[in-house]
Amino acid sequence: DTEVTQTPKHLVMGMTNKKSLKCEQHMGHRAMYWYKQKAKKPPELMFVYSYEKLSINESVPSRFSPECPNSSLLNLHLHALQPEDSALYLCASSQDPSGGNTIYFGEGSWLTVV
Amino acid sequence: KQEVTQIPAALSVPEGENLVLNCSFTDSAIYNLQWFRQDPGKGLTSLLLIQSSQREQTSGRLNASLDKSSGRSTLYIAASQPGDSATYLCAVKGAQKLVFGQGTRLTINP
Repeated sequence: DTEVTQTPKHLVMGMTNKKSLKCEQHMGHRAMYWYKQKAKKPPELMFVYSYEKLSINESVPSRFSPECPNSSLLNLHLHALQPEDSALYLCASSQDPSGGNTIYFGEGSWLTVV
Repeated sequence: KQEVTQIPAALSVPEGENLVLNCSFTDSAIYNLQWFRQDPGKGLTSLLLIQSSQREQTSGRLNASLDKSSGRSTLYIAASQPGDSATYLCAVKGAQKLVFGQGTRLTINP
């Protein structure tokens, strides 16, 4: 099973709301990633978790707060977002963060900030 | 800083044709190169992974090659079908990051 599951598939939130995106994988992968993708653009890396510890933060604004409760779960907490944060948020995982492992992506969560 | 370029940005061909998508990268210090497919509004599906020590990989009608020294990869699609219509992204893996190209939007016309 090479599946990364993301919920919700669609989310509409106001600029004062607090919401979370969730990601789950059961492949025993120890690296998990959050990417942001705007329309007609490639995915951009936001965060990397390696063995449940944050290893890369690509200078993402603090209104995005990642959390890795265990090796199978990855959350992205959202607070006080701006309309320009509307995008497809993709979660991904790989066996480990370094080396030549395949990276598997979920279907994404479509976020609209109103 | 690694930069990945894909040419062409868009391609439209009749069904049944063989076609080649191109990907180039500036830093040859990579672990691997991965080709993905993305359907509109969907996530990314991994098609092929080529390790830095390999020259090519094949899966069904797809064949990907890698020339690390020249910083180039190609994705060859044989006997194209309308179901192959999608955006194709190549991505190179460095120490921890996967860097994407802008993608090639492929349309196969019946």
